[in-house]
Amino acid sequence: AQKITQTQPGMFVQEKEAVTLDCTYDTSDQSYGLFWYKQPSSGEMIFLIYQGSYDEQNATEGRYSLNFQKARKSANLVISASQLGDSAMYFCAMRASGAGSYQLTFGKGTKLSVIP
Amino acid sequence: ETGVTQTPRHLVMGMTNKKSLKCEQHLGHNAMYWYKQSAKKPLELMFVYNFKEQTENNSVPSRFSPECPNSSHLFLHLHTLQPEDSALYLCASSQERTITGELFFGEGSRLTVL
Repeated sequence: AQKITQTQPGMFVQEKEAVTLDCTYDTSDQSYGLFWYKQPSSGEMIFLIYQGSYDEQNATEGRYSLNFQKARKSANLVISASQLGDSAMYFCAMRASGAGSYQLTFGKGTKLSVIP
Repeated sequence: ETGVTQTPRHLVMGMTNKKSLKCEQHLGHNAMYWYKQSAKKPLELMFVYNFKEQTENNSVPSRFSPECPNSSHLFLHLHTLQPEDSALYLCASSQERTITGELFFGEGSRLTVL
């Protein structure tokens, strides 16, 4: 079974500053994928970034980067130069091939508030 | 058109009603999903369909009945629900069931059961 832990229920960041959202995971699979999603108040889950377990380099997508530390089983999201529009819920998720299900398992999320 | 469209966006129903949620994806994907999002809980996977065949049913009560007539449409039929079923129901699709494929979500249907 897979498990995702996000220990920060809420975070505040000043506009234009960088912020790190924590995520740790647990799986017995060797091959897995890690995802971050953003959920604004509208409800839609927006895909941000992906990291594969065998990827040697940390993933980056624009202002988003993923700090992947495999030995620690952590996949923290770093948002640089925060903007007011970044205020939302952020979910870390994992997909593994255990039992062939490829189920996407989510953490409880972190609510990010960007302060002007 | 957005990639994944869900209707209705909001639904209020009594415990004896029968209603349906609809999801349509315009992305040419093969897999579709229903997730339930309750307050202060992680998203819970309910059902997975791959090429119109149900491949996952995560011990969901029978008062929730999914239907997938084709790869583009997914329904969730609701009957005799309980107040604790009030939640945001999210539909998603992906190209295939692999480790790398991200899911594309709709905006959700917010259900309130009175």
